[in-house]
Amino acid sequence: DVKVTQSSRYLVKRTGEKVFLECVQDMDHENMFWYRQDPGLGLRLIYFSYDVKMKEKGDIPEGYSVSREKKERFSLILESASTNQTSMYLCASSLEEGGTLLDEQFFGPGTRLTVL
Amino acid sequence: KNQVEQNPQSLIILEGKNCTLQCNYTVSPFSNLRWYKQDTGRGPVSLTIMTFSENTKSNGRYTATLDADTKQSSLHITASQLSDSASYICVVIRSYNTDKLIFGTGTRLQVFP
Repeated sequence: DVKVTQSSRYLVKRTGEKVFLECVQDMDHENMFWYRQDPGLGLRLIYFSYDVKMKEKGDIPEGYSVSREKKERFSLILESASTNQTSMYLCASSLEEGGTLLDEQFFGPGTRLTVL
Repeated sequence: KNQVEQNPQSLIILEGKNCTLQCNYTVSPFSNLRWYKQDTGRGPVSLTIMTFSENTKSNGRYTATLDADTKQSSLHITASQLSDSASYICVVIRSYNTDKLIFGTGTRLQVFP
């Protein structure tokens, strides 16, 4: 079974803090993704990576950065957290090579981040 | 505009009953359509993936249909169980130069005993 794990289920941070969200997958998948999910808006893609050290902006990259130093690990960084970044953050991975998104995505359990 | 709309937004049914969730999309060019189930506090889990040429696909008590002409999909749940209580998300993949996943906002299903 594919397993995607996220470092925290719940996180509370203060405005202005630097926040790291970690995601690890154990199936040697090429692609990894970070989404945020807000009520009434569905999932929105923040960033994705199709290879180590490669990253592509998604639909809402502002205020976020990412890092992929190893194939199995993809980190989402909030350089200076703000209250409008309070959300559920979901990590996903998929096998497809070549940067396509046609393969099934497997999701982690999510991190509920609250910024006070 | 590439959009995925789901209805109803929420649905309450009694255990053992059947139900159908709808997904309408305006995404073009279409590649494939997926239904995900998301339990409260969990990440989405794939139920079905359908390509342009497929019009029905089943996964246990879940049956998805696709009408590519009318750009509509439905997810039918047979003999509902309490464990079916979840959000069901329709996702359409657009393939044009680069692929893009377009998510619906989901239908929240509650099954009561």
